[in-house]
Amino acid sequence: ETGVTQSPTHLIKTRGQQVTLRCSSQSGHNTVSWYQQALGQGPQFIFQYYREEENGRGNFPPRFSGLQFPNYSSELNVNALELDDSALYLCASSLAHSRDEQYFGPGTRLTVT
Amino acid sequence: KQEVTQIPAALSVPEGENLVLNCSFTDSAIYNLQWFRQDPGKGLTSLLLIQSSQREQTSGRLNASLDKSSGRSTLYIAASQPGDSATYLCAVSGSARQLTFGSGTQLTVLP
Repeated sequence: ETGVTQSPTHLIKTRGQQVTLRCSSQSGHNTVSWYQQALGQGPQFIFQYYREEENGRGNFPPRFSGLQFPNYSSELNVNALELDDSALYLCASSLAHSRDEQYFGPGTRLTVT
Repeated sequence: KQEVTQIPAALSVPEGENLVLNCSFTDSAIYNLQWFRQDPGKGLTSLLLIQSSQREQTSGRLNASLDKSSGRSTLYIAASQPGDSATYLCAVSGSARQLTFGSGTQLTVLP
């Protein structure tokens, strides 16, 4: 167990809808990163939050947005869902330094129909 | 831009064999490299973390090596068991603190 939890476990949405995924980081971890993993591929970096500010973004459009809260929880919001957004969404928490290990949650499986 | 490649994409071995999974990366300016295990439909389980200043890490039947200058890492699994069947992913961390993953090696250990 990594101490990182995600909710919900599974989610089915319709194209064009909006979705919010949630992550609860390990206590004391002030950095959270979100990744998208399509079937058969490695996870792709979406963005990272450090002390409630976005601290880096991968090659994802602005309809992917996030929030980080002082209580070590965070959200990933996706607007105007597309079929290609169907994937496993993973969050990872860590301390601030690049040398620190990232601890992953179990993921949320999103299906867009 | 960092790119991570894992070879082979899939591997099937009989139980008891020792095996090696390979990972290569294009930018040697990394802080660390992690090996993960992923069971079907599940999240990532961290196996080993190697800091850039280290050459190898060991945990039980697993040994991971890192050659930063050549951009390569190997994961050695001794005496493989059917329970080792999973996808193995390597990921490198750079100054941006994001992890760049390979596509994984799908391992099947046959009883």
